[in-house]
Amino acid sequence: DIQMTQSPTSLSASLGDSVTITCRASQRISTYLNWYQQKPGKAPKVLIYAASGLQTGVPSRFSGSGSGTDFTLTINSLQPEDLATYFCQQSYTYPWTFGQGTKVEIK
Amino acid sequence: QVQLQESGPGLVKPSETLSLTCTVSGGSIRSYYWNWIRQSPGKGLEWIGYIHYSGSTNYNPSLQSRVTISVDTSKNQFSLQLRSMTAADTAVYFCARTETVPGHHLSWIDPWGQGTPVIVSS
Repeated sequence: DIQMTQSPTSLSASLGDSVTITCRASQRISTYLNWYQQKPGKAPKVLIYAASGLQTGVPSRFSGSGSGTDFTLTINSLQPEDLATYFCQQSYTYPWTFGQGTKVEIK
Repeated sequence: QVQLQESGPGLVKPSETLSLTCTVSGGSIRSYYWNWIRQSPGKGLEWIGYIHYSGSTNYNPSLQSRVTISVDTSKNQFSLQLRSMTAADTAVYFCARTETVPGHHLSWIDPWGQGTPVIVSS
């Protein structure tokens, strides 16, 4: 299985800050990398597909980049509604695997 | 807008079989792949497997010996059976659709059902 490792595990930032979350794959996965946001008690929701594609309806302050083994999710100008846990997921090969999550808190 | 809803028992006894159903509304189950995914504090998010509306399946090798996913296109539903349940199978179970870039293999999971908690306990 491909292991997905996210960092940091959690972070605390102020409103308006820029936040970056990284995801590393245990082998090269091209751009088969997706990012999800999960709010407490809710299902995950896709934010970014194929490493950098912004899902319809997702605010433009979310962006993704990377290829191969290293990927980043950036949230520009952090908003109160961005309080959530963020997961990366590889769709390069089955079984699909997820990162362990990064919890974003507001200072 | 497609919506998914899981249904099934919230409590299962050890060694018994979990049976969950996902009902798809607002769209057809045809022409897509449909997934079961679970989430637990210990293991995080774990992909269980998928079924195509044609009936083809692919399971996570870690669960393959205990899992069966089936589809009923007449009811716009697909189902999960997980046998020989143990406490380690306690989790929130989600059903979800695979979305793809047309003509490409790039895939992601969208939308998801709201999830149903399953506890394994006697």
